[in-house]
Amino acid sequence: ELKVEQNPLFLSMQEGKNYTIYCNYSTTSDRLYWYRQDPGKSLESLFVLLSNGAVKQEGRLMASLDTKARLSTLHITAAVHDLSATYFCAVGNFGNEKLTFGTGTRLTIIP
Amino acid sequence: EAGVAQSPRYKIIEKRQSVAFWCNPISGHATLYWYQQILGQGPKLLIQFQNNGVVDDSQLPKDRFSAERLKGVDSTLKIQPAKLEDSAVYLCASSLALKSSYNEQFFGPGTRLTVL
Repeated sequence: ELKVEQNPLFLSMQEGKNYTIYCNYSTTSDRLYWYRQDPGKSLESLFVLLSNGAVKQEGRLMASLDTKARLSTLHITAAVHDLSATYFCAVGNFGNEKLTFGTGTRLTIIP
Repeated sequence: EAGVAQSPRYKIIEKRQSVAFWCNPISGHATLYWYQQILGQGPKLLIQFQNNGVVDDSQLPKDRFSAERLKGVDSTLKIQPAKLEDSAVYLCASSLALKSSYNEQFFGPGTRLTVL
């Protein structure tokens, strides 16, 4: 059974600081997604990573994928308050697309 | 482009009652998913449709949950009878098709169910 673990589960950080959220998964998968969820809202797609070594960046967020280590990271650069949300990684496979989600990381940016 | 639509947004029922949720996916999206998100957890897939056929319902509690997508567009998810542990947000998502190289799922706003 595929398991997806994120850490930390909770992260409180000051504006302007850098930090990384980690996503580990237990079995081979060929695509990894990062989603953002604001309180009471649905999930917003951030990144889709399809191959080993893939790196994608959007604003202050950068995601990377290491399929050999079964690890993805979401790096936050110079955090701002608007980035406060819960971030989920999810793992899927080509042709199936049954996504298995991680537990989520609740990020709070303190002014 | 219109997103995934869901209704109702909120529903409060008593245990043992029945409830139904409706989802209208993005136009042209062949694949539709229902997820259950319990407070503080990540979404868990309940059922996955490709057009009007079921691809995966392995995590659907079939003794009380049912879902259909009769014409390959809209879908309904029903719970009968509801239990306290069914309290959750039910998310509908859609994607273009399976076996595409970039099968991103787009999520609707969800239906928040409270079972008393």
